[in-house]
Amino acid sequence: GESVGLHLPTLSVQEGDNSIINCAYSNSASDYFIWYKQESGKGPQFIIDIRSNMDKRQGQRVTVLLNKTVKHLSLQIAATQPGDSAVYFCAESGGSYIPTFGRGTSLIVHP
Amino acid sequence: DVKVTQSSRYLVKRTGEKVFLECVQDMDHENMFWYRQDPGLGLRLIYFSYDVKMKEKGDIPEGYSVSREKKERFSLILESASTNQTSMYLCGCGDPILVPVEAFFGQGTRLTVV
Repeated sequence: GESVGLHLPTLSVQEGDNSIINCAYSNSASDYFIWYKQESGKGPQFIIDIRSNMDKRQGQRVTVLLNKTVKHLSLQIAATQPGDSAVYFCAESGGSYIPTFGRGTSLIVHP
Repeated sequence: DVKVTQSSRYLVKRTGEKVFLECVQDMDHENMFWYRQDPGLGLRLIYFSYDVKMKEKGDIPEGYSVSREKKERFSLILESASTNQTSMYLCGCGDPILVPVEAFFGQGTRLTVV
């Protein structure tokens, strides 16, 4: 059976620092890789995505890097703010466009 | 803005009860889905649907069923609730022709089975 209450990886940073959240994915056939942010009491919200034929994509204060060789995805948040405190999920999406989520990382930003 | 509305934020049900979780989206999206979220396990897909009256099993469909009679509504049914179905349930929708392939979620229903 599955365990419940597994420890959620946590990243603690100071306000103003850059944050890097990492994710390993499993399906080499995925077309898209997506990062979601989930604040307390809310559903996940889209942050940024990257197509499988790219290795880097930038948004506002966020950058996603994709390394297909080692099946690794990262989300970089520049100048982290207290409002960035949340659980971050990576997800992969193939032909069905139904996302498969990772387990999540809790980001805590200290003022 | 896309809005996904789940009928209840909190529910408490007894073991053996039949439970209905309702979800409505207002953006005419083709895909709808149900996940459950448990601490440290992320979101796990229960069922999804590409269109009215069709459904596909996700990764953990046991103990659940779904209904999609109208495009905007996707219901999750627990035929006989058990304590191991105590969880946060998230409904979402998406449109595969849109870029980015963003999924939109409701605020979740926290179900406790006692």
